Amino acid sequence: QVQLVQSGAEVKKPGASVKVSCKVSGYTLTELSMHWVRQAPGKGLEWMGGFDPEDGETIYAQKFQGRVTMTEDTSTDTAYMELSSLRSEDTAVYYCATVSLEAVTTFDYWGQGTLVTVSS
Amino acid sequence: SSELTQDPAVSVALGQTVRITCQGDSLRSYYASWYQQKPGQAPVLVIYGKNNRPSGIPDRFSGSSSGNTASLTITGAQAEDEADYYCNSRDSSGNLNWVFGGGTKLTVL
Repeated sequence: QVQLVQSGAEVKKPGASVKVSCKVSGYTLTELSMHWVRQAPGKGLEWMGGFDPEDGETIYAQKFQGRVTMTEDTSTDTAYMELSSLRSEDTAVYYCATVSLEAVTTFDYWGQGTLVTVSS
Repeated sequence: SSELTQDPAVSVALGQTVRITCQGDSLRSYYASWYQQKPGQAPVLVIYGKNNRPSGIPDRFSGSSSGNTASLTITGAQAEDEADYYCNSRDSSGNLNWVFGGGTKLTVL
């Protein structure tokens, strides 16, 4: 059973960066394909990017390219998502989620979410 | 196209059957997955693949697909099924990004 535990809520000013962490237990990070999904207040789920197990590359949604970086520390089984040049529209709950080993389109385990608030 | 389209809201009487649909070109190439999300909680996977339920998901939840449309059916809806439901798949048009539908708010009357 995979468990994903994310870092706590953040408040940032416009223009700043935020780095959210996602600690894996139950599996090692190298066995998983980690992705990040966000949800603005009252809105739907939005895929940001993640590791594509079919080609072994990290891919980002075009909307976030140039502003987002997803990294992993395999020594601590922790994944990170850093978003820069924050603006108010980036206020959202950010989730890490793993791609299922059975179905590449499926996110089977989710973190609890991290609220990032961007406000001056 | 990378879009998945869902009806914004659906309602069902307690104990009745409801179908939630998801439309998109990518569904001709990939199965949809379905997630349930209750207020203040992370999404939970309820259906994936052809019609697979993760452990712990009641068998009143089922999935099906035809052409460019995927469906989530709840047979005998319960009060605790009231939630937002999202479908997702992968974009089949070239960039192979993952994509979500806009979500359907299910009300159990």
